Amino acid sequence: NAGVTQTPKFQVLKTGQSMTLQCAQDMNHNSMYWYRQDPGMGLRLIYYSASEGTTDKGEVPNGYNVSRLNKREFSLRLESAAPSQTSVYFCASSALGQQFFGPGTRLTVL
Amino acid sequence: QKEVEQDPGPLSVPEGAIVSLNCTYSNSAFQYFMWYRQYSRKGPELLMYTYSSGNKEDGRFTAQVDKSSKYISLFIRDSQPSDSATYLCATRMGNTPLVFGKGTRLSVIA
Repeated sequence: NAGVTQTPKFQVLKTGQSMTLQCAQDMNHNSMYWYRQDPGMGLRLIYYSASEGTTDKGEVPNGYNVSRLNKREFSLRLESAAPSQTSVYFCASSALGQQFFGPGTRLTVL
Repeated sequence: QKEVEQDPGPLSVPEGAIVSLNCTYSNSAFQYFMWYRQYSRKGPELLMYTYSSGNKEDGRFTAQVDKSSKYISLFIRDSQPSDSATYLCATRMGNTPLVFGKGTRLSVIA
């Protein structure tokens, strides 16, 4: 069991470039989440998917889009990256109230 | 007022000390309470999960919830240098996404 996996681990983008962060879980969880973590700001929810086929905005959705590709996979897309999106991004999945996180993607936007 | 307040620290203690980490929350509808541990440059890992008021113990860790005061605590007995990490409290109601505190950074000095 790999749990929650994320790719890539690191990424450097230039302003205006686009990219997709990938997340997959092998725990058969219905709910999946994308967070960003910045110093002094804690974990902030970007988008979540309560079940396959549904997505909802979190606290900081602007500049991001998501796709729940199937039950296992939930991707996060930055269409036109901005320096303010420099952050560590975590994917998580949950079932029975317990939430588990991936190892994170460190993104730098120059 | 933020929904979950947590003192960011940093907190520095000698090895073997008892550590007390605390959060307060504002919404009495919160039902589930969690503590996560996050090592530097890693994803948060679920440490303790509790539903009701009272204490839950797991080895050196005890989670305590006082719903009447809207106060949650994590106690670490016989603290070790390997306990040095950031500890995040989290809570939720029903199937809504978790609400996190900003985390307390703990250093246990050998």
